[in-house]
Amino acid sequence: QKEVEQDPGPLSVPEGAIVSLNCTYSNSAFQYFMWYRQYSRKGPELLMYTYSSGNKEDGRFTAQVDKSSKYISLFIRDSQPSDSATYLCAIPNNNAGNMLTFGGGTRLMVKP
Amino acid sequence: SQTIHQWPATLVQPVGSPLSLECTVEGTSNPNLYWYRQAAGRGLQLLFYSVGIGQISSEVPQNLSASRPQDRQFILSSKKLLLSDSGFYLCAWSVSRDSPLHFGNGTRLTVT
Repeated sequence: QKEVEQDPGPLSVPEGAIVSLNCTYSNSAFQYFMWYRQYSRKGPELLMYTYSSGNKEDGRFTAQVDKSSKYISLFIRDSQPSDSATYLCAIPNNNAGNMLTFGGGTRLMVKP
Repeated sequence: SQTIHQWPATLVQPVGSPLSLECTVEGTSNPNLYWYRQAAGRGLQLLFYSVGIGQISSEVPQNLSASRPQDRQFILSSKKLLLSDSGFYLCAWSVSRDSPLHFGNGTRLTVT
């Protein structure tokens, strides 16, 4: 089992829709997690950095964790075509000195 | 503010030729530096990381090597490229092993 897994998509939604992106993880001891956004032919950029104890909201983006299900989620409200990108989650790996382990990414397409 | 520069943006090289990709970071001292490879539709694979000048850790066996001749300079090299070396190479830096990574814009390498 991979440490961190994501549905690769693509996920296609109409403009204005609420988007839910998810990661499942196997390491139950992490303290925080991150979401990255990667536009085509660009490097990933840090979108949200969240401690595992609660939710975090930043504008149209909300990050959540469900420890009982080992799920972390990123919600995007009022999605825009400019949100079209690949979204990667990242969790520190206790088996690798807490270095980040990335999910494979979910490709999102928001259609106008 | 900190910035990371990575070049070239694209590169086409024949099989058996050498490779040198360079990455520099500005605005911070003694960063952790990383080389990742991202294959099409797949996640980020950590190749090398460095916690200081001359200190390189390799995560996967391959015909690539890395060097850190200066505090904020990280170089990815190969003596003879293979077709399987094609991919998107990303340099990144962080303050510590478990802090967020900040990526460059990557080099798309095609080995023909």
